[in-house]
Amino acid sequence: DTGVSQNPRHKITKRGQNVTFRCDPISEHNRLYWYRQTLGQGPEFLTYFQNEAQLEKSRLLSDRFSAERPKGSFSTLEIQRTEQGDSAMYLCASSPPGGAMLAKNIQYFGAGTRLSVL
Amino acid sequence: DQQVKQNSPSLSVQEGRISILNCDYTNSMFDYFLWYKKYPAEGPTFLISISSIKDKNEDGRFTVFLNKSAKHLSLHIVPSQPGDSAVYFCAARYLIQGAQKLVFGQGTRLTINP
Repeated sequence: DTGVSQNPRHKITKRGQNVTFRCDPISEHNRLYWYRQTLGQGPEFLTYFQNEAQLEKSRLLSDRFSAERPKGSFSTLEIQRTEQGDSAMYLCASSPPGGAMLAKNIQYFGAGTRLSVL
Repeated sequence: DQQVKQNSPSLSVQEGRISILNCDYTNSMFDYFLWYKKYPAEGPTFLISISSIKDKNEDGRFTVFLNKSAKHLSLHIVPSQPGDSAVYFCAARYLIQGAQKLVFGQGTRLTINP
């Protein structure tokens, strides 16, 4: 069990550039979540995948943001035309298949990708 | 609209004493409440949870209390150890269209002094 892996760990980009982050969930976890965390705040939900289907998106996810999970394994989060306000820690989490009971739905987080937009 | 609030940004406690971290929420739809712990350069790690139908859950040195009428929960750590120094996030869960969504508080930085 290697845990949730996120790459890169840090990304510095210029305003207006596109960036893409990758998340590899724990194997056999069919649920995958993206969160954004800014300084002094807790993580904020962005989007959720069950297998390859994107089932829920937050209003925080503007049309410049797109997330994919093409084969139900790893996921990518792309930000187009980055703005300084996009600077944040982007966290990915995964949870195993199961019912609504929390015991089968604990979300395991990766270490995140820190984005700095200059 | 902050549905989950942790009003204390930081807390400093002597080693061996009790640490009490507090959290308030506003949404009655939450069915579980969780505490996550975060060390620098790492992602949040799950610590303990409580169902909305319970009022207490205990796991070793960690106990979470839920007061539904006050919409308040607290995490007690006793005795506190230096390795407990971290940022603690309170989170509340609700289900919507098959997705479990977590709403996090702002976090409380706990420092355990030797």
